[in-house]
Amino acid sequence: DAGVIQSPRHEVTEMGQEVTLRCKPISGHNSLFWYRQTMMRGLELLIYFNNNVPIDDSGMPEDRFSAKMPNASFSTLKIQPSEPRDSAVYFCASSPRDIYQETQYFGPGTRLLVL
Amino acid sequence: AQSVTQLGSHVSVSEGALVLLRCNYSSSVPPYLFWYVQYPNQGLQLLLKYTTGATLVKGINGFEAEFKKSETSFHLTKPSAHMSDAAEYFCAVIKDTGRRALTFGSGTRLQVQP
Repeated sequence: DAGVIQSPRHEVTEMGQEVTLRCKPISGHNSLFWYRQTMMRGLELLIYFNNNVPIDDSGMPEDRFSAKMPNASFSTLKIQPSEPRDSAVYFCASSPRDIYQETQYFGPGTRLLVL
Repeated sequence: AQSVTQLGSHVSVSEGALVLLRCNYSSSVPPYLFWYVQYPNQGLQLLLKYTTGATLVKGINGFEAEFKKSETSFHLTKPSAHMSDAAEYFCAVIKDTGRRALTFGSGTRLQVQP
């Protein structure tokens, strides 16, 4: 199994630009999560999907952030316009079942730097 | 109160020594507890989890953790540290079974000295 795949692995952009992060979950997994990791705030959930439907987006910081999951094998997290405070590592994770006990499998992350 | 607290942002041990990483959780959250490890420039990997059943949980790479309700603790241990154990370790809880979100502690960076 290839695991959760994220692209790009690194992104450097200038303030005001649009940024799109991509995630391919493990095949057969029906839940997908986007997390953000920063020094100041640690690891925090942004949004999660079950069966391609957004279930909980209470962690999305503001309207500049949006996430989609058009099908079971692909999700995007978009930031428009980007700001320096968005610099962080963004992780995508997936899990086989939509129950709280289930393990979440993390991708390698996308390291975003907004100048 | 924090849902999960990790005591010690940095822990250093000698190779072969006992590893003890501390995690305390708030008694207001359900006791669904996880330990994840993050190696440099990689994503998080599950070490072990407690959701129900036996309170001593064994995980991968020789790690184990004991759920102690009376102490609201879920400390991670390994009898003998190996150089390859150097990484950052995160304790996490499910704050609310109605939400799937993991709430992570602030992490403990483990350094293993030769």
